Amino acid sequence: QQQVKQSPQSLIVQKGGISIINCAYENTAFDYFPWYQQFPGKGPALLIAIRPDVSEKKEGRFTISFNKSAKQFSLHIMDSQPGDSATYFCAASREGSGTYKYIFGTGTRLKVLA
Amino acid sequence: KAGVTQTPRYLIKTRGQQVTLSCSPISGHRSVSWYQQTPGQGLQFLFEYFSETQRNKGNFPGRFSGRQFSNSRSEMNVSTLELGDSALYLCASSWDSSNQPQHFGDGTRLSIL
Repeated sequence: QQQVKQSPQSLIVQKGGISIINCAYENTAFDYFPWYQQFPGKGPALLIAIRPDVSEKKEGRFTISFNKSAKQFSLHIMDSQPGDSATYFCAASREGSGTYKYIFGTGTRLKVLA
Repeated sequence: KAGVTQTPRYLIKTRGQQVTLSCSPISGHRSVSWYQQTPGQGLQFLFEYFSETQRNKGNFPGRFSGRQFSNSRSEMNVSTLELGDSALYLCASSWDSSNQPQHFGDGTRLSIL
């Protein structure tokens, strides 16, 4: 019940294409859903985040779509560029204390071909 | 504004030893969280400290412990190291302990021989 399932595990997209990564959660107590981008040798960097009262959030070429009833959220990268090649993690978090404060998906390795 | 700083960047230890990792959060951030990242298990939450108190704890054995100082800097300690403790240990800071964006350091790569 505390998992966040992320798919696909890897993704290859042509330059200029749309990259789509999906995540699903089970615990309805989660109320904060960030996406992180990680380059080799670096820590994850926050890309964009959404809360359940919003169905979509856009920042530049990055969009989160959120479906509360289906308990799913996804990251869309428009006009994908070779510089976007990295590993992407979704996460789910909730207010308050406890063991499962922050749960991460297993990651998607994105490669954008020039 | 300086980011999250973790030291050292790399460590090599042997089984049975103990290790202490350090994290300096972004100035003004009072919450510090620690994560273990491995290829097999991904990013796993270890614990969170806020105002020198542990507020949240993940499912790790008691060999993993931490503390936070009055200036919000944090240390993580692992005792009786095992081969399976080889991982990238990441620290993240945020303003407080509510659902705020977390900012990660580049981690400490710990290798156990």
